[in-house]
Order: sequence, then structure tokens, then C-alpha cells
Amino acid sequence: KNQVEQSPQSLIILEGKNCTLQCNYTVSPFSNLRWYKQDTGRGPVSLTIMTFSENTKSNGRYTATLDADTKQSSLHITASQLSDSASYICVVSAPGGGNKLTFGTGTQLKVEL
Amino acid sequence: GAGVSQTPSNKVTEKGKYVELRCDPISGHTALYWYRQSLGQGPEFLIYFQGTGAADDSGLPNDRFFAVRPEGSVSTLKIQRTERGDSAVYLCASSLGRGNSYNEQFFGPGTRLTVL
Repeated sequence: KNQVEQSPQSLIILEGKNCTLQCNYTVSPFSNLRWYKQDTGRGPVSLTIMTFSENTKSNGRYTATLDADTKQSSLHITASQLSDSASYICVVSAPGGGNKLTFGTGTQLKVEL
Repeated sequence: GAGVSQTPSNKVTEKGKYVELRCDPISGHTALYWYRQSLGQGPEFLIYFQGTGAADDSGLPNDRFFAVRPEGSVSTLKIQRTERGDSAVYLCASSLGRGNSYNEQFFGPGTRLTVL
């Protein structure tokens, strides 16, 4: 069983619409949770980083939420654009030295006209 | 400024051969990470360097995999006796500092390895 599970696996939306991606994790202990955007053929790029004490963090049209009690996070994208088409990966970091990350399998988002 | 670079971008090899994958981290980043990403999956941790030493190599799948970072900058991931199951995208990332798990990791574009 994956320690970081994401849903949906894939999603198609129309340009201009909003969407929300979900992440459930079982990684424990937990230090911080990140959302990455990965374009096809590229490395992941960080969107947000939240510690266990943060409930929400925004980066432009991206807003991430975190509930450390239920071990759930979401990434909300507003006013989607064609360039938002990518894989969105939820990543959890354990505390301690090393910063080793545990990645989810991602949600493949496609934004269409 | 330059980001993390990886070479080659693509590598095709035959089963049983030896390959080396190179990573140039962002200048000044003391931490360097290797990940492996199979098709449709998220990256999986392989090894982490702090400076020249491998601080955590728990993700290396077996002893055919080895990585070095002799001068604390460029790193090379080495795979011996390659197998078809080694085919994946190998990602490198670097970050500042040590021990602070809030440090952002910056990823390179990856090397796509195909073992025939």
C-alpha cells in the first residue's frame, strides 16, 4: 500500500474551470507536505510546502490545504489554463536530516478548450 | 542562473551493460538526491548525499546501483549489469543546507534510461 495516495488518477476540465485534487498519506512521523507540478518530460517543480502546523498555503492560482489530524491534503486550482495540464504530485517529508521525500503517484490533469 | 542539469537526456543500452548518469546540481547546494521514476508513477528515492558522503542510500534497489559525489558537487549514478527493469527516468535534485527538512529540492529534467 502506497504511503501517499492521490485521487483522482486523472482529470479533464475545461479552461477557466476550477478543480481540486486530493492526497491522503500515512507517512509518520510527518514533517511537511509539498505539491509538485510535473510537465511531461520535465522534472517536478515545487508549488507549495506546508509544515504540520500550516492549514493552507497559496501560490498564485494554486491553493493547498492540509489537515494533519486526518492526514489529508488538497490542491485547488482556480481559473485553469491550458498550461496547467501536467501531473500534480503530492509529496510527504519525514523529519530529521536528509529531507527524504515520499511521492504519490500523481494526478494527471488535462485542461481543454 | 543555471538549474540542475543532467546528462545524457536519453540513454539506450543493452541488457548487461554498464551505464553512468551524471548530475550537476545548483552551485552551492550541499545536498543532492537521486530518484527513479517509472512510467505513470511518482519518483522513488534512491540515495541522498550531504557534501561528498552518502548520508542515506536506503533506496538503492541492489548492489548493482552505486553513486558517487567525490568533490561535493557533481554526482554520478552508476548501474552495473543493467536489466530491462532498470528502464526508467532517473531524476536528480539538489537543495541548500543540511537537516532542515523544509529545504526545497530543485529537480533536473532527468535521464531517460532504456535497457533493451
